[in-house]
Amino acid sequence: DSGVTQTPKHLITATGQRVTLRCSPRSGDLSVYWYQQSLDQGLQFLIQYYNGEERAKGNILERFSAQQFPDLHSELNLSSLELGDSALYFCASSAGSYQETQYFGPGTRLLVL
Amino acid sequence: AQSVTQLGSHVSVSEGALVLLRCNYSSSVPPYLFWYVQYPNQGLQLLLKYTTGATLVKGINGFEAEFKKSETSFHLTKPSAHMSDAAEYFCAVSPSGYNKLIFGAGTRLAVHP
Repeated sequence: DSGVTQTPKHLITATGQRVTLRCSPRSGDLSVYWYQQSLDQGLQFLIQYYNGEERAKGNILERFSAQQFPDLHSELNLSSLELGDSALYFCASSAGSYQETQYFGPGTRLLVL
Repeated sequence: AQSVTQLGSHVSVSEGALVLLRCNYSSSVPPYLFWYVQYPNQGLQLLLKYTTGATLVKGINGFEAEFKKSETSFHLTKPSAHMSDAAEYFCAVSPSGYNKLIFGAGTRLAVHP
């Protein structure tokens, strides 16, 4: 158990819908990262927040957004969902913001029908 | 751009045999290097990491990896495979000056009796 929690574990929705994925980092960690794992793209970095502020951005679509709240939990919002958004979404956390070891949650499996 | 190449998407070994999973990275500046393992329906677990210093890094579950700057490689080895080692293994780099992890495509390890 990494100490990173993600909810929900599974999510099934329809195209065009909006969903919110939630992540709680390990106790004391200030950074939260979001990754997408799909069969065709592999594991890709989406975005990082550090202590409430966006710190780095990767291959995140404009339809996707994230935020980190004062209690340090983070939410990833996915809107106007397409079939191709079906994937495993991982949250990771680290103590600091620079080349730190990242600890991964169990993931949220999203299926868009 | 930084990239990670894992040679062999599938590797099969006998129980008790040597495990060798290959990873090469492209970077003009040595990055931080990581190996993660993903068991079925689980998140990623850190096996080991290289930052600076000793080039032979020991990790959990008997795994180790050697950083070779001249070959831009960070291959993962284990002297004797166990059935419980069957999983997918990911090599990742954290480029200098960045916070994200760049992952290789992964190598699925099968261990047969």
